[in-house]
Amino acid sequence: DAGVIQSPRHEVTEMGQEVTLRCKPISGHNSLFWYRQTMMRGLELLIYFNNNVPIDDSGMPEDRFSAKMPNASFSTLKIQPSEPRDSAVYFCASSPPPAGRSETQYFGPGTRLLVL
Amino acid sequence: AQSVTQLGSHVSVSEGALVLLRCNYSSSVPPYLFWYVQYPNQGLQLLLKYTSAATLVKGINGFEAEFKKSETSFHLTKPSAHMSDAAEYFCAVDRGGNQFYFGTGTSLTVIP
Repeated sequence: DAGVIQSPRHEVTEMGQEVTLRCKPISGHNSLFWYRQTMMRGLELLIYFNNNVPIDDSGMPEDRFSAKMPNASFSTLKIQPSEPRDSAVYFCASSPPPAGRSETQYFGPGTRLLVL
Repeated sequence: AQSVTQLGSHVSVSEGALVLLRCNYSSSVPPYLFWYVQYPNQGLQLLLKYTSAATLVKGINGFEAEFKKSETSFHLTKPSAHMSDAAEYFCAVDRGGNQFYFGTGTSLTVIP
């Protein structure tokens, strides 16, 4: 299995520009998570999808952030307009249908975003 | 709400020495706990997980962790550190619905 795939791996953009991050979960996984990692705040859950439906988006910082999952094999996280404080590493993770109460989350390599 | 606390943001050990990374949890229900490792410029990788089957959990790369309810702890250990163990380690708890809360991480340095 190829694992969780994220693109791009690195993104440098200017303040005010739109940024789109992409994620392909592991085939057969039905849960998808977007995280943001910064030195100051650590690893934060932004949004969580189950069977392509957003379940909890309480971690999304503000209206500039939006996420979609049009099908089981693709998700996007969009920032519009971007700001320097959005600079971080964004991770996508997926997990299989639960066999018990909890399942392992498998992480992608991340997208390192720098907003100038 | 369920959470975890990692004690010590930086730990240094000599190559061959015992590795001990601390994690304490807070939970009103039996927790499901995880340890992940992050190597530089990479995503998080599962080391091991506790799902109440056994209190001593063995993971990859020689790591293991023991669930101690009386101490609300889930510390990660490895008998002999290797240079390749240098990384960031995260403890996490499943808050329910497969939503994880991650600790702040512990950076492990291995001194040759």
